[in-house]
Amino acid sequence: SQQGEEDPQALSIQEGENATMNCSYKTSINNLQWYRQNSGRGLVHLILIRSNEREKHSGRLRVTLDTSKKSSSLLITASRAADTASYFCATDSRRALTFGSGTRLQVQP
Amino acid sequence: DAGVIQSPRHEVTEMGQEVTLRCKPISGHNSLFWYRQTMMRGLELLIYFNNNVPIDDSGMPEDRFSAKMPNASFSTLKIQPSEPRDSAVYFCASSSMGVGYTFGSGTRLTVV
Repeated sequence: SQQGEEDPQALSIQEGENATMNCSYKTSINNLQWYRQNSGRGLVHLILIRSNEREKHSGRLRVTLDTSKKSSSLLITASRAADTASYFCATDSRRALTFGSGTRLQVQP
Repeated sequence: DAGVIQSPRHEVTEMGQEVTLRCKPISGHNSLFWYRQTMMRGLELLIYFNNNVPIDDSGMPEDRFSAKMPNASFSTLKIQPSEPRDSAVYFCASSSMGVGYTFGSGTRLTVV
């Protein structure tokens, strides 16, 4: 069973707008990671946030983590057409990473 | 670094045939993971190795699936005999100290 569930399943925005994706999970975690997958390619690691952190930034990416609600969000600011991809959250408890079902982001030029 | 290298990129085989997928992890990474991705089930962990030793194979669907890691630079995932429901994209990933996985480009398997 999947640990994380992303919301929404699909998101379509215009270039320049911000994109927000949410992830909910079920069990306690050591860290939560976000990955990106372009069509036909492997997943690429974007950012990791540890369970004792609440917010983290990397370039145009901002990740928040609320362990009390077992949820995380990924914000992409000033989106570009090249940001079009699927985005997955993944949780690291004691086994290997467990991935959510992903959000398909379409950025219209 | 060339990243995680998987071969073949595409495999089409007939039901009942043996299929072997190959993976070369990033040098120095001590963990290796095999995942399967389908539209219906998303990304599923099949098995992972730490320092060449299988740690958790509870995700392996059934006895038809087997994985080996004879050394730190090579791993195989074998399906024998293959079935149409095995059709999926199989990913290999590696990591160091379990942080930030690096994925290969995947092997798209089609069993007809």
